[in-house]
Amino acid sequence: NAGVTQTPKFQVLKTGQSMTLQCAQDMNHNSMYWYRQDPGMGLRLIYYSASEGTTDKGEVPNGYNVSRLNKREFSLRLESAAPSQTSVYFCASSEWGVGDTIYFGEGSWLTVV
Amino acid sequence: SQKIEQNSEALNIQEGKTATLTCNYTNYSPAYLQWYRQDPGRGPVFLLLIRENEKEKRKERLKVTFDTTLKQSLFHITASQPADSATYLCALDMRGGSYIPTFGRGTSLIVHP
Repeated sequence: NAGVTQTPKFQVLKTGQSMTLQCAQDMNHNSMYWYRQDPGMGLRLIYYSASEGTTDKGEVPNGYNVSRLNKREFSLRLESAAPSQTSVYFCASSEWGVGDTIYFGEGSWLTVV
Repeated sequence: SQKIEQNSEALNIQEGKTATLTCNYTNYSPAYLQWYRQDPGRGPVFLLLIRENEKEKRKERLKVTFDTTLKQSLFHITASQPADSATYLCALDMRGGSYIPTFGRGTSLIVHP
């Protein structure tokens, strides 16, 4: 039982390049999330998917797109990376939502130069 | 505006003492409050959830209190150990609004042997 798996773990991008962060969960959870964590800023929600087939913007969605490919997988795409997107990205999932425990992946360290 | 405040300064304590971390919030009416632990280079891990109608919750050496009048939660670790050293995050669910929890910035706890 792997929980929430994210790839890649580390990535260096040049400004303007695009990339996709992959996330999969094996807990049969309905809701999935993408957060970014920056020093002094805490965890901020980028996008979330309450259930398969739906996605919604979070607190900081600009510059990102997401796809809920199926119930297990939720990807985050940077179309044209900017240095401001240098951060640690966490994918997470929960069973339904209200009061549910959120299970996090191990994080993806992204540097945009 | 809504704010969640956790002490940004690290809390340093001696092994065996009780650590107390604070989470204050403004302009929220949380239905739940959660506490997570985050180790360096890892994703947050859920510890405890307390509901708005609960005053206190315990789990082994952990105790959480929730005072909706003071708009504050206290997180206690009794008989602290160096292995308890980590960053602790509080997260609030909004009642009547988005169920997605919003995270505080976390407080670093350092337990000295």
